[in-house]
Amino acid sequence: GIQVEQSPPDLILQEGANSTLRCNFSDSVNNLQWFHQNPWGQLINLFYIPSGTKQNGRLSATTVATERYSLLYISSSQTTDSGVYFCAAHRSGYSTLTFGKGTMLLVSP
Amino acid sequence: EAQVTQNPRYLITVTGKKLTVTCSQNMNHEYMSWYRQDPGLGLRQIYYSMNVEVTDKGDVPEGYKVSRKEKRNFPLILESPSPNQTSLYFCASSHGQGAGGYTFGSGTRLTVV
Repeated sequence: GIQVEQSPPDLILQEGANSTLRCNFSDSVNNLQWFHQNPWGQLINLFYIPSGTKQNGRLSATTVATERYSLLYISSSQTTDSGVYFCAAHRSGYSTLTFGKGTMLLVSP
Repeated sequence: EAQVTQNPRYLITVTGKKLTVTCSQNMNHEYMSWYRQDPGLGLRQIYYSMNVEVTDKGDVPEGYKVSRKEKRNFPLILESPSPNQTSLYFCASSHGQGAGGYTFGSGTRLTVV
């Protein structure tokens, strides 16, 4: 199956700082998503981004499919951004959406 | 609103008492699946369904059953729950296998004592 690796594993920021989270995947994919797991355990879909660049408010994401990586940018971070960010990839022909181990983000006031 | 609805959100039960976690989606998605999330092990797929009456095992199917009698519903059944099934469970759906992205339910936190 496909391997998904995320970095860094942990990140501590002051409110207002910017950050970049990285996701590397081992093979070509037809689906790449970024999720935020909030303190209540809910998985919130941030981006569906198998290729290209998307932006949603303070968050943006870029996937370079040919080089097998994706980046999630968080600008002007807020305490409500805290939680775990997961990258997940799906390869055509396989049944599983494979998750990385996540980046745990803590934004302090 | 397009969503995947799981119930219950929280459940505490005793070993051996059969239970069902329901999952329903309103997006006419063909594909549905169940995951469990455990500390240190991440999210792992339990079962999936490509369409009505078509189900198959994921990575960790032991101790679970599913059914897909209607397109919108995909219940997860624990016939005889054990403490090692204490976990956070997620239901997900999509068109085809991931086309357009997966939508996840809010999760069910199950504790088996």
